[in-house]
Amino acid sequence: SQTIHQWPATLVQPVGSPLSLECTVEGTSNPNLYWYRQAAGRGLQLLFYSVGIGQISSEVPQNLSASRPQDRQFILSSKKLLLSDSGFYLCACNRGAYGYTFGSGTRLTVV
Amino acid sequence: AQSVTQPDIHITVSEGASLELRCNYSYGATPYLFWYVQSPGQGLQLLLKYFSGDTLVQGIKGFEAEFKRSQSSFNLRKPSVHWSDAAEYFCAVGARGGGADGLTFGKGTHLIIQP
Repeated sequence: SQTIHQWPATLVQPVGSPLSLECTVEGTSNPNLYWYRQAAGRGLQLLFYSVGIGQISSEVPQNLSASRPQDRQFILSSKKLLLSDSGFYLCACNRGAYGYTFGSGTRLTVV
Repeated sequence: AQSVTQPDIHITVSEGASLELRCNYSYGATPYLFWYVQSPGQGLQLLLKYFSGDTLVQGIKGFEAEFKRSQSSFNLRKPSVHWSDAAEYFCAVGARGGGADGLTFGKGTHLIIQP
């Protein structure tokens, strides 16, 4: 079965600092990968989607970017964090009949 | 565009009582429906999913859900809740094989269990 590793679990960053969150997948190949954000008191919002290496689609304009340098690696980045970037970030993968699997998430607080 | 509505933001249930969490969806094709549970500070755990076939699906932890196409609903039920069921519950709709839209989630229902 597919497993997602996300790190770090918790992160506190000052406004204007860079960000790099990493997600790696085990147990499958060529998965569809997703980054979601969950803001306080709100549902999950899809941020980025990738079908393969170097292929990224953005769902909403924002201060964030994503990259997929390897088949099972998905990175969420920012050059300069804003207060509004605070939230809970979840990586997910989908590989056909296996359905969706989510990582354990990263709690980001921008101060 | 696909969407999910969970009309109840909070629900309080006594331990041992039955539970029903409501979910209504809008989807242009055959919907694939999911229920996830999230404990505080944790990721999402899949409770159950519906792709096709029997409209009553069984999940983990004693949960079940019924797909009703005529009502565009996929309500989650449990006959007797336990204190450990207190968590946030999310209903979601999407394509089975993934796709650009990924999963669309409702805003969640916060379940509180009274002793």
